[in-house]
Amino acid sequence: KQEVTQIPAALSVPEGENLVLNCSFTDSAIYNLQWFRQDPGKGLTSLLLIQSSQREQTSGRLNASLDKSSGRSTLYIAASQPGDSATYLCAVVDYGQNFVFGPGTRLSVLP
Amino acid sequence: GAVVSQHPSRVICKSGTSVKIECRSLDFQATTMFWYRQFPKQSLMLMATSNEGSKATYEQGVEKDKFLINHASLTLSTLTVTSAHPEDSSFYICSARLSSYEQYFGPGTRLTVT
Repeated sequence: KQEVTQIPAALSVPEGENLVLNCSFTDSAIYNLQWFRQDPGKGLTSLLLIQSSQREQTSGRLNASLDKSSGRSTLYIAASQPGDSATYLCAVVDYGQNFVFGPGTRLSVLP
Repeated sequence: GAVVSQHPSRVICKSGTSVKIECRSLDFQATTMFWYRQFPKQSLMLMATSNEGSKATYEQGVEKDKFLINHASLTLSTLTVTSAHPEDSSFYICSARLSSYEQYFGPGTRLTVT
């Protein structure tokens, strides 16, 4: 059974710092991996999707990498801003089209 | 992009009553929708898969008689929490499948049972 973990559980940084969020999964037989943002009491906003054949994806200040063989993905946020404060969830999608979510990293960017 | 809505966004009900949550795909048809539950500071856990025109498939540990799912059309799935109890208080999120491996998530419904 696929298990997804995220480290750290919470992170607080001053504005302007670059930061890395980590996601690990136990079963490397994935179709893709997705990163989402969730604001308090809100739904999910899709940030990046990496296909299993890809190594990384970039969108603006966000860069996500995928190392399928080691079961790891990282989300890199450059020049963090207070507006980036949210919970970041990674989810792996298997070939059965099932989404398995990690517990999330709660990020606070202090002005 | 594809949009999924949920109604209501928040609901408070008394213990023992039932509450219905709607999930709609606004600009696409979805033969499959999913219902997730998220407890505070925890991640989303899949409750059930809703298939248009057939019975929902429930994940292990989810009571099908308590969480009634009806997917009556290609754009609407409903989740009814029957005889709700305080432990059912949670954030319920639905998603709709646009194509293989492509799901769009609703904004969620906060259920509080008093």
